[in-house]
Amino acid sequence: GAVVSQHPSRVICKSGTSVKIECRSLDFQATTMFWYRQFPKQSLMLMATSNEGSKATYEQGVEKDKFLINHASLTLSTLTVTSAHPEDSSFYICSARVEISGGAVNEQFFGPGTRLTVL
Amino acid sequence: AQSVAQPEDQVNVAEGNPLTVKCTYSVSGNPYLFWYVQYPNRGLQFLLKYITGDNLVKGSYGFEAEFNKSQTSFHLKKPSALVSDSALYFCAVRAYTGGFKTIFGAGTRLFVKA
Repeated sequence: GAVVSQHPSRVICKSGTSVKIECRSLDFQATTMFWYRQFPKQSLMLMATSNEGSKATYEQGVEKDKFLINHASLTLSTLTVTSAHPEDSSFYICSARVEISGGAVNEQFFGPGTRLTVL
Repeated sequence: AQSVAQPEDQVNVAEGNPLTVKCTYSVSGNPYLFWYVQYPNRGLQFLLKYITGDNLVKGSYGFEAEFNKSQTSFHLKKPSALVSDSALYFCAVRAYTGGFKTIFGAGTRLFVKA
């Protein structure tokens, strides 16, 4: 199956700093990538959807200026947590969607996640 | 308000038996419904989705789910469970409520015993 990577896998930063997380589709081109957040008690939240070359679409309630998403190419999307605070500590997961044959095949593949700890 | 409920924290099934993981939802309007699975040490995976059309949706690994509008449910099923199906399963609903929002259930841990 298609592979999605995330870098870094773990990051620890000081409060007030910004952290960038990369998401790459390794063997396919993804027109759409998604960013999720998994909270300590395992529940998931979709944060935003990014489309290559256009602005990300954020879910209701997600702060756009806090979580900057850039989808610069068909294989790379980045999430930057700006001015991070301890409450931003979480597991961030990206996924990439591949669409084949005009929508006949439409699958979503997930990265392994990035554990962010803000001290 | 939009919500998703997975009423069972844990489901235990013997290998070879049918399994059901329950999901009910509450939204205004027509929902998009999804199931995801998170295997230990393998990350999250998409299983299936319902957008429109046939109420019975078939997905990966032999799983299927039935959209029941009257009962507002989208239970995940498999005719014969495998030990390798043991994982954490998430139901999600996406709907427009002044903006698109996807809500995930709290997750149900499935244990399949050999």
